[in-house]
Amino acid sequence: DGGITQSPKYLFRKEGQNVTLSCEQNLNHDAMYWYRQDPGQGLRLIYYSQIVNDFQKGDIAEGYSVSREKKESFPLTVTSAQKNPTAFYLCASSILLGQGGEQFFGPGTRLTVL
Amino acid sequence: SQKIEQNSEALNIQEGKTATLTCNYTNYSPAYLQWYRQDPGRGPVFLLLIRENEKEKRKERLKVTFDTTLKQSLFHITASQPADSATYLCALDSTGGFKTIFGAGTRLFVKA
Repeated sequence: DGGITQSPKYLFRKEGQNVTLSCEQNLNHDAMYWYRQDPGQGLRLIYYSQIVNDFQKGDIAEGYSVSREKKESFPLTVTSAQKNPTAFYLCASSILLGQGGEQFFGPGTRLTVL
Repeated sequence: SQKIEQNSEALNIQEGKTATLTCNYTNYSPAYLQWYRQDPGRGPVFLLLIRENEKEKRKERLKVTFDTTLKQSLFHITASQPADSATYLCALDSTGGFKTIFGAGTRLFVKA
């Protein structure tokens, strides 16, 4: 089955630690995205990538980093510089970047800072 | 700044009735408008896309309208069922844009 997976489902971080969230897709999509979702707010774009070895900052990139070494994979690192990282993180992919293209979302990772 | 507004209050309706959800936007001229469904603790799932030159789109029990003059989209679920209970998000894309803007969503509860 084609789809997009995220791991882990739940992640706990101590203050000052960096953590990496995994995102893998086997849909052969070029575009991939990371969003953050907080209660009562819309999805906010952290980073997006149009193609392998290329990625761009979204609206709230501070304190986060990404890589796109393979088409299938787009991991997100939440660094200690992110002051309020507790949130639900969603990875998505689409055939095209923007342009109304349907985005396929993973199941999400819930990150909690202890 | 660009803004999408969806009713933050939950919508409670009786099974069999039509649910109508609203998406309003300001400071934006979207070429595409999408609706997604999100269940608690899960990622959103795409439902429908409507383009700026389309007034209405239907898919089974779903109907979406897009009024670029009013800057509003309405999302209807006819003959609603308890299984339709979820949060519904609207999302906007512009022509040539690289970012999709999502609303916060409206929670729908369908009571049996």
